[in-house]
Amino acid sequence: KAGVTQTPRYLIKTRGQQVTLSCSPISGHRSVSWYQQTPGQGLQFLFEYFSETQRNKGNFPGRFSGRQFSNSRSEMNVSTLELGDSALYLCASSLRPSGSGGELFFGEGSRLTVL
Amino acid sequence: GENVEQHPSTLSVQEGDSAVIKCTYSDSASNYFPWYKQELGKGPQLIIDIRSNVGEKKDQRIAVTLNKTAKHFSLHITETQPEDSAVYFCAASIPQGGSEKLVFGKGTKLTVNP
Repeated sequence: KAGVTQTPRYLIKTRGQQVTLSCSPISGHRSVSWYQQTPGQGLQFLFEYFSETQRNKGNFPGRFSGRQFSNSRSEMNVSTLELGDSALYLCASSLRPSGSGGELFFGEGSRLTVL
Repeated sequence: GENVEQHPSTLSVQEGDSAVIKCTYSDSASNYFPWYKQELGKGPQLIIDIRSNVGEKKDQRIAVTLNKTAKHFSLHITETQPEDSAVYFCAASIPQGGSEKLVFGKGTKLTVNP
């Protein structure tokens, strides 16, 4: 069974640009969560989608957005990039919503560098 | 609140010793507490979890304890091995707008010295 696939794995952008990251969940999983990982802040919750609906969102500015398609694939977008957006963005899929006790299966992440 | 505090941030032990990582949470409505292990270059993986109706859970060398009154939970690893070296994250479910989200601590880097 294929795991969670994130693309691209690495990317470099400049301030002011925008970026779109993609996540393909494990087949049959309807929940997709996104996290930002930085050395000092650990894993910070961005948002979670379940059956194409955003269930929860974290405390990030409106520049961070996401969506989920009918096949459960998800994308997140960051507009007007800032230096502080440099991070590893992790996607996780689960059968059930994350807070209800569904095990999260993480991808290997997309490492974004903003210059 | 929705904070999950995790301590220590780094932990170094000798092979065979025990390691303990502690987390506290602020929302008394939290009822699900998983622990994830992240090896270098990989995404985190669930290693054990506990629900609020249970005080302790064990799985071979790993155990988790929960004190709901004090709002803290701990991960215990016994007979540590070099392959236990990784970053460990605790998490707690936090109610939000009729559903729940998972909030993680900042992580503990565990180093097991051979």
